[in-house]
Amino acid sequence: EVQLVESGGGLVQPGGSLRLSCAASGFTFSDSSMTWVRQAPGKGLEWLSFISSSSSIIYYADSVKGRFTVSRDNAKNSLYLQMNSLRDEDTAVYYCARSCGSSWFCYWGQGTLVTVSS
Amino acid sequence: QAVVTQEPSLTVSPGGTVTLTCGSNTGAVTSGHYPYWLQQKSGQAPRTLIYDTSNKHSWTPARFSGSLLGGKAALTLSGAQPEDEAEYYCFLSYSEAWMFGGGTKLSVL
Repeated sequence: EVQLVESGGGLVQPGGSLRLSCAASGFTFSDSSMTWVRQAPGKGLEWLSFISSSSSIIYYADSVKGRFTVSRDNAKNSLYLQMNSLRDEDTAVYYCARSCGSSWFCYWGQGTLVTVSS
Repeated sequence: QAVVTQEPSLTVSPGGTVTLTCGSNTGAVTSGHYPYWLQQKSGQAPRTLIYDTSNKHSWTPARFSGSLLGGKAALTLSGAQPEDEAEYYCFLSYSEAWMFGGGTKLSVL
């Protein structure tokens, strides 16, 4: 069974940092591209970042470029999102998603909540 | 910057047919935007129904179909069920930019 479990969310002050993790199981992680998407409370989905299976291709949304860094450790079946210089508007549930074939969003995790507040 | 547009809300009767659309302020949506359609029910993670305009995942109910219609991407639901009440998001790919629409809240009443 495919499982994606996000962790690392919590309360952080503006300007602070947080590292999210996405633990993958039930599929060959090293063959799958991965994506981060977030959803602010009561709002819609926002695409954040894409990383290819070998980390050779990485994309970011303009809203997080220069502040967030996506990475992966295929040996640990894990995806990461390092978030720096956090702002109030970064408060959201953060989801990781796995690709399959040409579909970027084949399977989704349940999300982890990040709250940026003083 | 590109903006992806969707109807804020739509209502369909049980057993009825409804079409949700996804437009772009940059012009016509084409297959080159690789449109996706995702469903999100209250309190749940999203679920992808359609990718690359019209391709379905194994879990996508047959009553959902994707297409291009009048310069927009379209999601048609034929034979709506009460469990189809949800928020629906489209997703488009541009050159070096990728974004979701604001979502359509679909009510089945």
